[in-house]
Amino acid sequence: GAGVSQTPSNKVTEKGKYVELRCDPISGHTALYWYRQSLGQGPEFLIYFQGTGAADDSGLPNDRFFAVRPEGSVSTLKIQRTERGDSAVYLCASSSFDGNTEAFFGQGTRLTVV
Amino acid sequence: AQKVTQAQTEISVVEKEDVTLDCVYETRDTTYYLFWYKQPPSGELVFLIRRNSFDEQNEISGRYSWNFQKSTSSFNFTITASQVVDSAVYFCALSEAGATGGFKTIFGAGTRLFVKA
Repeated sequence: GAGVSQTPSNKVTEKGKYVELRCDPISGHTALYWYRQSLGQGPEFLIYFQGTGAADDSGLPNDRFFAVRPEGSVSTLKIQRTERGDSAVYLCASSSFDGNTEAFFGQGTRLTVV
Repeated sequence: AQKVTQAQTEISVVEKEDVTLDCVYETRDTTYYLFWYKQPPSGELVFLIRRNSFDEQNEISGRYSWNFQKSTSSFNFTITASQVVDSAVYFCALSEAGATGGFKTIFGAGTRLFVKA
């Protein structure tokens, strides 16, 4: 597709379960970002990939969160032992080169932990 | 460290009024980039503008204008003759080089704009 695609659009999971959220960036975009947005808040930075490597993962809240981008395109955000506080909209964005260029956002995955 | 402050949580105006959304940032870098994004009720963030730290020239695009002032670390956004369709949450963002190279972008908390008919 032409834009950033995130799947699923909605995910409801039970506390303690493992979830994977997928991001398919715009073809050719080397930079990929994951953000988390809680209700009424701005996007909170989680991790930034440049190609296959995580250039900055300082926003990951704890070791239950992990993200990969093995081939420099699709990325998966993985959350282990989910907690109710993980409930939020998880946004993915990609840009053509780096964070200094326009980022294109996906529609987000709304994660609800019950 | 990076920081973006949008002090206005919500603003309500009547259609055709002008409205300015404030953004103040903090950075230790001399090279950085500033952005404004719009998040309509549909939820998807839409890019509006990017400025680099070396270009303080103000910009106008239709009803939108931006005032970048390094002396006050501000990058304010004005909508002239507001319309109901402008109702959205607007985010200011700052991108600066991270410790590992590359640029990391952080967002302010956003300003929710209501434009009433």
